[in-house]
Amino acid sequence: KNEVEQSPQNLTAQEGEFITINCSYSVGISALHWLQQHPGGGIVSLFMLSSGKKKHGRLIATINIQEKHSSLHITASHPRDSAVYICAAAHFGNEKLTFGTGTRLTIIP
Amino acid sequence: EAGVVQSPRYKIIEKKQPVAFWCNPISGHNTLYWYLQNLGQGPELLIRYENEEAVDDSQLPKDRFSAERLKGVDSTLKIQPAELGDSAVYLCASSRFSTGELFFGEGSRLTVL
Repeated sequence: KNEVEQSPQNLTAQEGEFITINCSYSVGISALHWLQQHPGGGIVSLFMLSSGKKKHGRLIATINIQEKHSSLHITASHPRDSAVYICAAAHFGNEKLTFGTGTRLTIIP
Repeated sequence: EAGVVQSPRYKIIEKKQPVAFWCNPISGHNTLYWYLQNLGQGPELLIRYENEEAVDDSQLPKDRFSAERLKGVDSTLKIQPAELGDSAVYLCASSRFSTGELFFGEGSRLTVL
């Protein structure tokens, strides 16, 4: 079992739909990162959170430390949101990052 | 503010040849990472630096890979000799501290023929 697991692996939705991507981890963490990677592009940091909820535009990230679970939500999804979304857990103590394998999101116009 | 700069963006070499990648992190960022990313996979850490010290190189294949960050600023990752299985994207990332937000470069795509 991977230390960081994401679901779903692939997600296709219509433009405007509400999107949820999940991330579960099994290690004690100091922070959880959400990253975005467009096809052929570099990786961009979306959020870094250790508790509660953060919002940036149409993106919302939440984390439940007790349940070791985080979610990334996209409201009013748009084709330009099509990308791979990766969560990464920063291990408590040594700050080592463990990455999930990513969720490939495709938004259809 | 300039982002993380990597070069070259693309490199094609024959197996057994050497190759080197360069990374210049964001100014003031103490922590520098080299990652390897295979197609459809998440990044895998090769080495992490805190200033000029390699604090985690446990995943670096030291028989053929080497890295340095001599002055605690820019860094070079070298592969010698390259093998077919080394074809991947090599990503450099930096953060102000090890607990900080990550900033990635565009990556260096290596193809070994």
